[in-house]
Amino acid sequence: AQSVTQPDIHITVSEGASLELRCNYSYGATPYLFWYVQSPGQGLQLLLKYFSGDTLVQGIKGFEAEFKRSQSSFNLRKPSVHWSDAAEYFCAVGLTGGGNKLTFGTGTQLKVEL
Amino acid sequence: DGGITQSPKYLFRKEGQNVTLSCEQNLNHDAMYWYRQDPGQGLRLIYYSQIVNDFQKGDIAEGYSVSREKKESFPLTVTSAQKNPTAFYLCASSIGGDQPQHFGDGTRLSIL
Repeated sequence: AQSVTQPDIHITVSEGASLELRCNYSYGATPYLFWYVQSPGQGLQLLLKYFSGDTLVQGIKGFEAEFKRSQSSFNLRKPSVHWSDAAEYFCAVGLTGGGNKLTFGTGTQLKVEL
Repeated sequence: DGGITQSPKYLFRKEGQNVTLSCEQNLNHDAMYWYRQDPGQGLRLIYYSQIVNDFQKGDIAEGYSVSREKKESFPLTVTSAQKNPTAFYLCASSIGGDQPQHFGDGTRLSIL
């Protein structure tokens, strides 16, 4: 069965610093991948998605992610973090032809210090 | 604006009581999903439906039931058989295939 690992439960960065959130997946087939963000008490908002093609994908709010098949990773990055980026971030993986069932990681809680 | 509406935002259940969480979407999406979110566990799939009048169990379906009588509606019933129902419940929908899922704002269920 597929699995998704987000190894960092909590991350704290200073405003203006760069950010990288890690996501590793275990999958035997070609996956498609998403990053979502969740503010407290709210639903999830889609940041970006990867299906195929260019392995560096751009998303909303200045985020980007890079798919590395050799490392089974899909890390999320942002060059300069803003205080409003403080939230919980989830990586999700689906299997092409798998009926749009997603497997979510356990999330990374981002704190931004002013 | 199109979107997914979950109601109520907060819900309280007494012991032995069934409760139903509402999920309505006006995105004309075929597929709909119910997730349970617990702290530190991410999202776990309860049930999903890819088309009207059809649905499948997810990873943690025990103690829950659903129906899909209309394309825009996918209510979730938390039955008395669910012994630990306190959680945040999220409904999602998608066009289907490999397309992203769009989420509602959730319902927080607590036990009195």
